[in-house]
Amino acid sequence: DTEVTQTPKHLVMGMTNKKSLKCEQHMGHRAMYWYKQKAKKPPELMFVYSYEKLSINESVPSRFSPECPNSSLLNLHLHALQPEDSALYLCASSQRRPQRPNSETQYFGPGTRLLVL
Amino acid sequence: RKEVEQDPGPFNVPEGATVAFNCTYSNSASQSFFWYRQDCRKEPKLLMSVYSSGNEDGRFTAQLNRASQYISLLIRDSKLSDSATYLCVVNMGAYNTDKLIFGTGTRLQVFP
Repeated sequence: DTEVTQTPKHLVMGMTNKKSLKCEQHMGHRAMYWYKQKAKKPPELMFVYSYEKLSINESVPSRFSPECPNSSLLNLHLHALQPEDSALYLCASSQRRPQRPNSETQYFGPGTRLLVL
Repeated sequence: RKEVEQDPGPFNVPEGATVAFNCTYSNSASQSFFWYRQDCRKEPKLLMSVYSSGNEDGRFTAQLNRASQYISLLIRDSKLSDSATYLCVVNMGAYNTDKLIFGTGTRLQVFP
């Protein structure tokens, strides 16, 4: 099973709202990622968690707050977003092997399509 | 210079054609390379990893030239179902860190 699930599939929120995006995988992967993808653009990395610890933050504004409660779950908390934050938010996971410098395939979830009004 | 650059596309080819996509990357220390495929309004899915010796998976052949920092994907006998955006992806993370950088993608449209 190479499935990454994300909820909700669609989200509409106002600029004063607080919402959360959720991601889950049961493949035993120890690295999880958040990406943002605007229309007709490639995915852009936001955050990387490795062994439940934040290892990369690509200078993402603080209105996006990631959280990794356990090795299977990854959340993205949203607060005071701007209309330009409207995008597809993709979660991904990958195996992490201590004896290899980089992990291999990243498996993506279907994404949450976010619209900020 | 962009970190990962691809042919702009779109490529419009008939069924049965052979089509090649090219990609260059800026970080010579990069260790892992991939081609992903993304269908409209769907998530990216791994098509194949790219190895130094080149590798083939059915109708798909990937090549890597580290000296030129160049990656290619060849699709033979194109099918209608091959229509998608093909993303060249390079792992530019430091040791034990994953940082995938995606190219802008090349759109392929296969017509009957």
